[in-house]
Amino acid sequence: GENVEQHPSTLSVQEGDSAVIKCTYSDSASNYFPWYKQELGKGPQLIIDIRSNVGEKKDQRIAVTLNKTAKHFSLHITETQPEDSAVYFCAASPLGSARQLTFGSGTQLTVLP
Amino acid sequence: SQTIHQWPATLVQPVGSPLSLECTVEGTSNPNLYWYRQAAGRGLQLLFYSVGIGQISSEVPQNLSASRPQDRQFILSSKKLLLSDSGFYLCAWSGARGRGIYEQYFGPGTRLTVT
Repeated sequence: GENVEQHPSTLSVQEGDSAVIKCTYSDSASNYFPWYKQELGKGPQLIIDIRSNVGEKKDQRIAVTLNKTAKHFSLHITETQPEDSAVYFCAASPLGSARQLTFGSGTQLTVLP
Repeated sequence: SQTIHQWPATLVQPVGSPLSLECTVEGTSNPNLYWYRQAAGRGLQLLFYSVGIGQISSEVPQNLSASRPQDRQFILSSKKLLLSDSGFYLCAWSGARGRGIYEQYFGPGTRLTVT
């Protein structure tokens, strides 16, 4: 089955700096890679995703890059703000699968004012 | 737009008592439905998923069970809770296969404490 590793487990940055979270996956059949943001006591919120036919996707201050050859993908947050503080999860799945969203273990991002 | 509801929001139950958590989705039809458990604020563990009424797949053997009595209703149950069942339970939905929408969207969660 798929295995997703996520690093780092905790990340502290100064407000305005950039944050990068990295994930690796094991199953070459995976071709859908979403990222979720989870605030304390709430359900995870889908913030951006990328499919394997695209190498990079950007949405305002967040971007995701994918390297299928190396089987890794990354989340980039620029100009971080205190409200970006949360736990971020990456996941991987074969498109068309009913179930196989395999999640990373999460990164606690803290943006220091 | 689609909305997913979970209740109750919080629950404190004694060991050995039964459990019933409910999840409903609005604004879509024939969704795939999922139950996850999250312990210690990290790590989403898939418990069950369903692609249709009465169709349940279990990912982790345990004393929990799931049912889908209606298209947009998903229920997580237990006959006798264990201390280890404590956690944050999340329901999620995604578009049905063939519709080209596979993103999973999560509900607000239920915090279960077994005492």
